[in-house]
Amino acid sequence: GNSVTQMEGPVTLSEEAFLTINCTYTATGYPSLFWYVQYPGEGLQLLLKATKADDKGSNKGFEATYRKETTSFHLEKGSVQVSDSAVYFCALSPNNAGNMLTFGGGTRLMVKP
Amino acid sequence: EADIYQTPRYLVIGTGKKITLECSQTMGHDKMYWYQQDPGMELHLIHYSYGVNSTEKGDLSSESTVSRIRTEHFPLTLESARPSHTSQYLCASSVGGFTGELFFGEGSRLTVL
Repeated sequence: GNSVTQMEGPVTLSEEAFLTINCTYTATGYPSLFWYVQYPGEGLQLLLKATKADDKGSNKGFEATYRKETTSFHLEKGSVQVSDSAVYFCALSPNNAGNMLTFGGGTRLMVKP
Repeated sequence: EADIYQTPRYLVIGTGKKITLECSQTMGHDKMYWYQQDPGMELHLIHYSYGVNSTEKGDLSSESTVSRIRTEHFPLTLESARPSHTSQYLCASSVGGFTGELFFGEGSRLTVL
């Protein structure tokens, strides 16, 4: 079956530090990959996505590259801000499954001033 | 900004009560979903719908039921709540074609005493 594994949190960083949140997946075929973010008290929202190998998704200074050889989609940001504090979810969707997403367990990021 | 609304945001009830969690979207999306988010943050799909009069069970078995009589409305019902039903319930919707982008509501946090 399909599965997504994320690094466990919480991840605590100082403002302007470099962020990496690891995500690896197991899936048959060529899934699409996503990062969603959940700010405190809000629902999830799409942060970025990549639909084929070697694609790089980017948004709001975050980026992630679809690596088929390592089945990974790590999230990175060069300089985090306090406002980036949230829970980040990696997800995949098999291309024949419409919008059926399989989510990872989520990683809480806390950024301190 | 997503136009998907969930009520109530918070609900505390006693065992054995019947409850309905409401979810409405004004985007005209065909697909709607219910996810259960456990305290460890992991998301599990419990119900989904491809359109009016369509409902399917998700990956995680749930004692809840859903209905889809109108495109914009996708309520979730528990006939007899139990403490094991205590969780956060997230409603989402998406367009009919494959994009991978789900629009989430802010969630309904249910506590059963």
